[in-house]
Formats: sequence, C-alpha cells, structure tokens
Amino acid sequence: DVKVTQSSRYLVKRTGEKVFLECVQDMDHENMFWYRQDPGLGLRLIYFSYDVKMKEKGDIPEGYSVSREKKERFSLILESASTNQTSMYLCASSSPQGATFDEQFFGPGTRLTVL
Amino acid sequence: GQNIDQPTEMTATEGAIVQINCTYQTSGFNGLFWYQQHAGEAPTFLSYNVLDGLEEKGRFSSFLSRSKGYSYLLLKELQMKDSASYLCAVRETDSWGKLQFGAGTQVVVTP
Repeated sequence: DVKVTQSSRYLVKRTGEKVFLECVQDMDHENMFWYRQDPGLGLRLIYFSYDVKMKEKGDIPEGYSVSREKKERFSLILESASTNQTSMYLCASSSPQGATFDEQFFGPGTRLTVL
Repeated sequence: GQNIDQPTEMTATEGAIVQINCTYQTSGFNGLFWYQQHAGEAPTFLSYNVLDGLEEKGRFSSFLSRSKGYSYLLLKELQMKDSASYLCAVRETDSWGKLQFGAGTQVVVTP
C-alpha cells in the first residue's frame, strides 16, 4: 500500500521561529511536492522536486525553502515563521510525468498555527 | 498559467446524482485529475482524463472536452459518505507533473 507520511499532524509555533516540516514516501517516487491549502484558495504549490537535490519554485515560494537530500524525503523549511503562514501543509509524491500511473499521492497534512 | 473554475458548493439528496463542472484555461493541456478530500484528510485520487470522452469507475464518472476546456465529475447513487470536497486539477505539458488545482467543490449529501 502506497504511503506518504508527514512528521506532525498539528504544530504550533511562535512568530520568528524556524520550522521544519518533514515528508517521507515509500513508493520510490522521483517527484515530490509541497502545497499549502487555505479555505477558498485550494491547494497552492510552494516547491517541488523532480530528483534528489533538485528543486523548483512553485507558485508561492516566498518565505519557504526546501531540502531533498534523499529520494524518499522532502523537507519544507520556514526560515522565520509568520502568522500568515498559518495553514494546512500537504506533501505529495508521484512517478515522473508520462509513467503508467502518475497521479499524485498525498500525505495526511500538517496543520501549522503560527502565534 | 491556468485558471480553473468550479462551483463552491453543491447540495444533493442521498440516492440522487450530482454533476460537478470544472472549466480551465491552459497553454498546453496534458491531463485533468479529480480528487476527493474529506474534511481533515488528505486528497485521494478519483479519476484521470487526457483524451476527450467519458471515463467510468463504478458510481463515479469523469468527462473531458479539450476543445471546450471543460470537465465534469458525475457522482451517481449518492451516499452520505460522498459528502466531501472534490478538487479539479490540470496538468500542463513539460511541467514535471505539476498540477494546478481549482478551489474545490464542497458536496453536501442530505438524508
């Protein structure tokens, strides 16, 4: 059974703290993605990675960075958390585009609150 | 870039049929996905269309018209457990598999 796991379901941090969100997939997928989900706005792509050590900005990368040192792990970093980064964060992974089954598989999400 | 529009909310009765429309604008279309997301849970894959026509999967069907930039998800014989948000997502060519999501349609099934 395919699995994407995220390090925390709920997280509360203070403004200015450095925050690490971890995502691990066990499907040997090349592609990994970080989204945030806010009411009325849907899922918005923050960063994605198509290979180890490779990363590309998504639609809203400001205030975030990522790290992919191993194929199975993709980390999202908030260098200095701000209240407008309070959101649900979802990680996803997929096979390369054009593979037989290349839909994205999502983790359970991390609800981050920044006070 | 892409614009993806879908209704915000739809209400239907148990046992009925509901059709969720999705319209999109894209410079290079390479597939449309539908996901289901229950409150507080991760989105789960429902269907994929890349060619025009209807794809049927049990009680759920998805239709695509590329020339019209239009898709719909049809939910038949609605059950209470179908109450969820339904997300339309479009993939462009040469996009490394990135998806652009609509805001989602909240379907409420009433007894």
